[in-house]
Amino acid sequence: EDQVTQSPEALRLQEGESSSLNCSYTVSGLRGLFWYRQDPGKGPEFLFTLYSAGEEKEKERLKATLTKKESFLHITAPKPEDSATYLCAVQGGYNTDKLIFGTGTRLQVFP
Amino acid sequence: DADVTQTPRNRITKTGKRIMLECSQTKGHDRMYWYRQDPGLGLRLIYYSFDVKDINKGEISDGYSVSRQAQAKFSLSLESAIPNQTALYFCATSDLRDREPGELFFGEGSRLTVL
Repeated sequence: EDQVTQSPEALRLQEGESSSLNCSYTVSGLRGLFWYRQDPGKGPEFLFTLYSAGEEKEKERLKATLTKKESFLHITAPKPEDSATYLCAVQGGYNTDKLIFGTGTRLQVFP
Repeated sequence: DADVTQTPRNRITKTGKRIMLECSQTKGHDRMYWYRQDPGLGLRLIYYSFDVKDINKGEISDGYSVSRQAQAKFSLSLESAIPNQTALYFCATSDLRDREPGELFFGEGSRLTVL
């Protein structure tokens, strides 16, 4: 069964303190791994798509990487405005367009 | 104005009542989705539609029905609401022509409470 596990559930960082969020997955035939950001009271907002092991994507202070078993979202020198819940999702299989979402990591960055 | 608009944003209802959540989009996307989000369970797919004549069940469709009235409109109905349908509901769209289906555009959510 396709599954996505995110860790930690919550992360508190001081402004400028770099860290990483983890997304472990099991899926038959990975077609894509996706990172989303969700602010309180809002819908998720798309960040990145990763398709194959070794791929990396960057956006401002965020960098997503992918291996055959997991993905990391690295946050470099975070700012308070980076505080949000970060969701990971995978798309697998050959006859489906469904996404399997993880439960997210809630990030709080303090000044 | 938001590209994906959900109404109502908040609704409190009683057990057994019929509820409709509506979604409209101005992105011109073919694909529309309804998800529900519960603490500790993440986002789960209820129904999805690839065009006006296409409706597909997701992983948790029991107790729900949908209607795709037009390319831009996708409604979710709870025929007889029950308390465990209390959740945050999201509508989303995607465009197969330009992007992978995994790049979804979400509305701001409809918070439903069933007493």
